[in-house]
Amino acid sequence: SQTIHQWPATLVQPVGSPLSLECTVEGTSNPNLYWYRQAAGRGLQLLFYSVGIGQISSEVPQNLSASRPQDRQFILSSKKLLLSDSGFYLCAWGRPGQIFGPGTRLTVL
Amino acid sequence: SQKIEQNSEALNIQEGKTATLTCNYTNYSPAYLQWYRQDPGRGPVFLLLIRENEKEKRKERLKVTFDTTLKQSLFHITASQPADSATYLCALNTGGFKTIFGAGTRLFVKA
Repeated sequence: SQTIHQWPATLVQPVGSPLSLECTVEGTSNPNLYWYRQAAGRGLQLLFYSVGIGQISSEVPQNLSASRPQDRQFILSSKKLLLSDSGFYLCAWGRPGQIFGPGTRLTVL
Repeated sequence: SQKIEQNSEALNIQEGKTATLTCNYTNYSPAYLQWYRQDPGRGPVFLLLIRENEKEKRKERLKVTFDTTLKQSLFHITASQPADSATYLCALNTGGFKTIFGAGTRLFVKA
């Protein structure tokens, strides 16, 4: 069966520090992968999506970046975090009817 | 740009009643419309998908309708239970790679 993993589950980082969130998928090959951010009480904002290794589409210009070094690995990064980067980050795969990971709660102080 | 509107007010109903949640969208009709359930601190869980040429879809106690004239989808939970309490998200896909999500409606089912 297909599963999706994210880590870490929670993260508290100071402003200006770097970020690396990892997502891996099992049980499927060549998945479409997505990064979303959800602010408290808000909907999911699509940040990046990828249809294959090395192929990244950015939806929101900001200080975040994404990479897909392997078929089932998707990484979200930042060189310098901002307070506004706080939120719940979700990785997902599939289209349509997406499967979501457990999420990472990021707090930037 | 495409927008999705869901009732931001929480819906409170009594156990055993039918819960009905509304999703309205602007602009062009999506190829697919989806509903997800999200519990606090967890990722959304996919429930149902309905295509633009379908008017109704059912799965156990769940029913989704899709009216492309009204640009609206209704999500029904019959015989609701306290365990159905969660936030329900509407999402649409226009046939490309992107899915757009609404902010969700919180449902509280009281025993």
